[in-house]
Amino acid sequence: DSGVTQTPKHLITATGQRVTLRCSPRSGDLSVYWYQQSLDQGLQFLIQYYNGEERAKGNILERFSAQQFPDLHSELNLSSLELGDSALYFCASSGGGGSATNEKLFFGSGTQLSVL
Amino acid sequence: GNSVTQMEGPVTLSEEAFLTINCTYTATGYPSLFWYVQYPGEGLQLLLKATKADDKGSNKGFEATYRKETTSFHLEKGSVQVSDSAVYFCALRNAGNMLTFGGGTRLMVKP
Repeated sequence: DSGVTQTPKHLITATGQRVTLRCSPRSGDLSVYWYQQSLDQGLQFLIQYYNGEERAKGNILERFSAQQFPDLHSELNLSSLELGDSALYFCASSGGGGSATNEKLFFGSGTQLSVL
Repeated sequence: GNSVTQMEGPVTLSEEAFLTINCTYTATGYPSLFWYVQYPGEGLQLLLKATKADDKGSNKGFEATYRKETTSFHLEKGSVQVSDSAVYFCALRNAGNMLTFGGGTRLMVKP
């Protein structure tokens, strides 16, 4: 058990809808990262938050947004969903700000999103 | 930009066979290199890492050596077990950047 909790585990929705994925980091970790894993794109970094502030941005679509709350949990909001958004979305956390190259990330078990 | 290339799977081996999963990378500067493992239904777990050239990372019988001259970080294990069946991801990270993953290699070990 990594200590990172993601809910829900599975989500099935229709095109055009909006969903929210939730992540609780390990106790004491200040950074939360979101990754998308799909068959054609592999593991893609989406966005990082550190102590409530956006720290880094990757290949995140404008239809997607995220935030980190004062209790350090994070939510990833996906809107105007398309078939191609079907993927496994992972959250990871780390203790620091992510600038150390050897900083260890702890991953949750993911939310499987299916857009029909 | 950074990129990681792994051998495509699946790799199917019999128990006690020798394992090699190739990984090469392209990066600026001096990245840290990682192998992560994903067991069925679970998230990624750090398997091993190396932070500078010629470092050898090792864990649970797996090893990988950071080869700067060949920009490689191949994963090896001398004798695989059925419980090693999983997807293995090679990854790199350099200063100011996020983890960049390879496409993953599925390993299937048969008894």
